Amino acid sequence: KFTLTQPHSVSGSPGKSVSISCTRSSGSVASNYVQWYQQRPGSAPTTVIYEDDRRPSGVPDRFSGSVDTSSNSASLTISGLTTEDEADYYCQSYDSTTYVFGTGTKVTVL
Amino acid sequence: QVTLRESGPALVKPTQTLTLTCTFSGFSLSTSGMSVSWIRQPPGKALEWLALLDWGDREYYNPSLRTRLTISRDISMTRVILTMTNLDPVDSGTYYCTHLKNRNFDHWGPGTLVSVSS
Repeated sequence: KFTLTQPHSVSGSPGKSVSISCTRSSGSVASNYVQWYQQRPGSAPTTVIYEDDRRPSGVPDRFSGSVDTSSNSASLTISGLTTEDEADYYCQSYDSTTYVFGTGTKVTVL
Repeated sequence: QVTLRESGPALVKPTQTLTLTCTFSGFSLSTSGMSVSWIRQPPGKALEWLALLDWGDREYYNPSLRTRLTISRDISMTRVILTMTNLDPVDSGTYYCTHLKNRNFDHWGPGTLVSVSS
């Protein structure tokens, strides 16, 4: 079983960009798609990125995803930060029989 | 429109068994590619995947909790049930039922809060 490690928190000013990393402990990050979820306080998570870099309809194009095989990690970038982006963010991936969530990152808009 | 809703007891005593029900609509669990999964979140902590039931009635479990979990569907085909045995206070948290499509948990229920305490 592998783990997905994220920074505990990141912050940025309105209008700026932040990036959140998600490092896979074993197995290649490129072998299985990575999803990203946003969770606002008191609410269930919602998908902001699926299949590494695809956005569901209704998610602003300020959200983008990527994968870097050299660091065996995925990243979520939020550009043009707004106060609405303040939330917890989780990456998620899988192997043949199990699903794994990342440790979670709190995004603060200063 | 896919909807899911969790139901079950809010309070369970240690060592007891927890039974949670997910009632869903907007899709058929008999359709190829459809799956329902349970995910939990202790207060202030990260999400943890628990179990999955797919359209072929195949069951998948978190290896760390495998011996305590059972996922099944009822005869109505519109409900999925999760059973967890030997509850402990560390099992307290919000339990979510989700729809899975192409490895993405694309629809979530509102969650149900479970407290384990004597």
